[in-house]
Amino acid sequence: KNEVEQSPQNLTAQEGEFITINCSYSVGISALHWLQQHPGGGIVSLFMLSSGKKKHGRLIATINIQEKHSSLHITASHPRDSAVYICAALVPARQLTFGSGTQLTVLP
Amino acid sequence: KAGVTQTPRYLIKTRGQQVTLSCSPISGHRSVSWYQQTPGQGLQFLFEYFSETQRNKGNFPGRFSGRQFSNSRSEMNVSTLELGDSALYLCASSLQGLGAKNIQYFGAGTRLSVL
Repeated sequence: KNEVEQSPQNLTAQEGEFITINCSYSVGISALHWLQQHPGGGIVSLFMLSSGKKKHGRLIATINIQEKHSSLHITASHPRDSAVYICAALVPARQLTFGSGTQLTVLP
Repeated sequence: KAGVTQTPRYLIKTRGQQVTLSCSPISGHRSVSWYQQTPGQGLQFLFEYFSETQRNKGNFPGRFSGRQFSNSRSEMNVSTLELGDSALYLCASSLQGLGAKNIQYFGAGTRLSVL
């Protein structure tokens, strides 16, 4: 079993919909990253969380340390949000352990 | 401020050869970490360098090695290439490194194909 599990693996939404991507982890972590990867490979760091909630524009990330769970929400989704979203847990060994990613497609 | 630069962007090698990939971090960043991404295994941590010292290493064989220079630029070397080493290799830089919970800034990656 992977230490970091993401769901769903694939997600198709209509423009304007509210989107949620989930990330669960089975080990103790010191922080959790949410990353966005566009076709071609470039990765952008969206959030780094160690507690609570962060918001940037239409993106919101939350983490519940006790439940070992994090969510990434996209409000008013847009086709340009289409990408792979990856969560990555920073484990105490100072390594990043990655989820398998969620392929999001937003249709116009 | 220039971003993280990886060179080359694409590389084709044959089995048994060796390869060296380069990563120039954002100015002022002292940490460089390396990752391998394949369709089967996803993203996996290779190693992290901070101020010329390897601070941590993932679960990869000794054929994968790296180093960091005094200007924080880093190189990754893979010797005796195998078909399974075909992957996108990404590096990321940050101010204080993974342990300080810094934001990681990623390069565009080097796509390595081993024939």
